[in-house]
Amino acid sequence: DQQVKQNSPSLSVQEGRISILNCDYTNSMFDYFLWYKKYPAEGPTFLISISSIKDKNEDGRFTVFLNKSAKHLSLHIVPSQPGDSAVYFCAASDKDSNYQLIWGAGTKLIIKP
Amino acid sequence: DAGVIQSPRHEVTEMGQEVTLRCKPISGHNSLFWYRQTMMRGLELLIYFNNNVPIDDSGMPEDRFSAKMPNASFSTLKIQPSEPRDSAVYFCASSFTGSSGNTIYFGEGSWLTVV
Repeated sequence: DQQVKQNSPSLSVQEGRISILNCDYTNSMFDYFLWYKKYPAEGPTFLISISSIKDKNEDGRFTVFLNKSAKHLSLHIVPSQPGDSAVYFCAASDKDSNYQLIWGAGTKLIIKP
Repeated sequence: DAGVIQSPRHEVTEMGQEVTLRCKPISGHNSLFWYRQTMMRGLELLIYFNNNVPIDDSGMPEDRFSAKMPNASFSTLKIQPSEPRDSAVYFCASSFTGSSGNTIYFGEGSWLTVV
C-alpha cells in the first residue's frame, strides 16, 4: 500500500516555462514533507520541505504547495532550466514513526531547450 | 562542511564473496539510514539506526545482509555471501531527528556489481 504516490513517471517541460510536479499521500498523520532531486550516478539531494502548519514554502525558483484537505502537494519550478532535468522524489514523515521518510516512486523531469 | 561519506564508490566482486560498504555520517547527526536503489524497486530503506541503535531492520532482504554502527561516526553494511541480485546502488544517509521534521542527507552511493 503506497502511502506516497507520484503518479507521473515522467514530465517534459520547455526551458523557461513552469514545471509542476505532483505528489499525493494517504496518511493524514504526515506532518512534514520534502522534495529531493536526484541526478544519475549521484545520491538524492534535499531541495525543499514544508511543515503541515504551512501551505506554501518558497526558495528561489522552487515553491512547494501543500493542500492538506486534498492530501496533495506540488513542487513548482519557475523558470525551468536545463540543469533541473533530474528525478524528483517526494517524501513524507510523521512524529509517530519517529520521522522516518516514506518515499514516492519519483518523477523524471526533462527540460527541453 | 563534509557531507555523508561512503566508500567504496564502486565495487565489482564475484558471487559468493563478502562485501563491506562503509559510511561516515554528518557530524552531529543522530540517525543513520542505509538505502538500496534498483531499477525494479526504486529507493528501498534497508535499516535505520538512531543513536547507534538499530531501530528498524525490516527492510533488510535476508540474513546475508547485516549492518552495524559501532559509534556515532561510522557504520557498515555487509553482504555475505554476495549474489548477482544484490547488484545495486547502496546509499547511506544521515539526519538529526528532532521534534520538527527530519531532513535526510545522502551520500553519493556505493555502486555494487556482483558477477
